[in-house]
Amino acid sequence: NAGVTQTPKFQVLKTGQSMTLQCAQDMNHEYMSWYRQDPGMGLRLIHYSVGAGITDQGEVPNGYNVSRSTTEDFPLRLLSAAPSQTSVYFCASSYSLQVSGNTIYFGEGSWLTVV
Amino acid sequence: DQQVKQNSPSLSVQEGRISILNCDYTNSMFDYFLWYKKYPAEGPTFLISISSIKDKNEDGRFTVFLNKSAKHLSLHIVPSQPGDSAVYFCAASAGGGTSYGKLTFGQGTILTVHP
Repeated sequence: NAGVTQTPKFQVLKTGQSMTLQCAQDMNHEYMSWYRQDPGMGLRLIHYSVGAGITDQGEVPNGYNVSRSTTEDFPLRLLSAAPSQTSVYFCASSYSLQVSGNTIYFGEGSWLTVV
Repeated sequence: DQQVKQNSPSLSVQEGRISILNCDYTNSMFDYFLWYKKYPAEGPTFLISISSIKDKNEDGRFTVFLNKSAKHLSLHIVPSQPGDSAVYFCAASAGGGTSYGKLTFGQGTILTVHP
């Protein structure tokens, strides 16, 4: 059981380049999300999805695009990278929308540097 | 505006002693709270949670206390072990339905347990 898999683990981008962070889960979870972690800020929600074909914005969605064509995959796209997007990105999944009694599974993170 | 705050960036304790990590929140709509543990180069892992209808929840060496009137929660680890050295995040949710997509994290506290 692989859990939540993120690729790539490390990436350096030039300002203005585009790229996609991949996230896949093999637990048949309906709910998936992307967070970014910055020093002194904790984790902040970028986008989330409650099922295939359904996505919504989180706290910091600007500069990011998502889609959910399958239950397993939830890619995060940076259309034109900016230095402010230098961060560690975490993908997470869960089987339920309900927080109570639920457990979120996080990927190991993707370190992105924009120069 | 940070709705969930962990005002201590770091905490150092001796093995066998108690570790107390604190978290304050400002949003009175939060009704479910979670603690996550994160090792370097890994994703956060769920540790313990508490609903606002309770004031204490215990799981082995870990106990979470909630003081709703003070909007304050704390995580107690007794006894502390070197393997507990990690970053600890508290998180909060406003409850029910799709609020899961709006989980709010604190900045994190680095716990170091010395042998």
